[in-house]
Amino acid sequence: KQEVTQIPAALSVPEGENLVLNCSFTDSAIYNLQWFRQDPGKGLTSLLLIQSSQREQTSGRLNASLDKSSGRSTLYIAASQPGDSATYLCAVMDSSYKLIFGSGTRLLVRP
Amino acid sequence: DTEVTQTPKHLVMGMTNKKSLKCEQHMGHRAMYWYKQKAKKPPELMFVYSYEKLSINESVPSRFSPECPNSSLLNLHLHALQPEDSALYLCASSRTGTSGSNEQYFGPGTRLTVT
Repeated sequence: KQEVTQIPAALSVPEGENLVLNCSFTDSAIYNLQWFRQDPGKGLTSLLLIQSSQREQTSGRLNASLDKSSGRSTLYIAASQPGDSATYLCAVMDSSYKLIFGSGTRLLVRP
Repeated sequence: DTEVTQTPKHLVMGMTNKKSLKCEQHMGHRAMYWYKQKAKKPPELMFVYSYEKLSINESVPSRFSPECPNSSLLNLHLHALQPEDSALYLCASSRTGTSGSNEQYFGPGTRLTVT
């Protein structure tokens, strides 16, 4: 059974710092991995999608990498801003096309 | 347009009520999903519709009844719910339900409180 783990569970950084969020999964038989952002009480906003054949994707200040063989992904946020404060969720699409989510990292960027 | 809309935003219902949640997308997607999210937990898949047919039911209690009247619309009918069913209900859609390249787009959710 696929399990997705995110470390750390919470992170507080000063504005301007570069940071890395980690995601690991137990079964490497995945189709893709998505990173989402969720603000309190709101829906999920898709940030980046990495196909299983890809190594990384970039969007603005965000860069996500995928190492399928080791079951790991990282989300790199450059020059963090208070507006980046949110919960970040990673999810893998398993062999039955279901999205399996990690528990998320709650990020606080302090002004 | 990558928008998925959900109504209502908030819903309070008693355990004997019948209510429905609605989800709509106009991206031409042929797969639609219902997720349930409890506070401080990740979303959990409930149902998947692919080409208007129910393809996945994650052993959800029968007091939750999904319906897909057409390719743009997804409903979740609620009846005789329990207080523990209080949660954020999220709808999502993707181009198809059986492609590994699909990106799922989520709506803003309906915050349901069962009293």
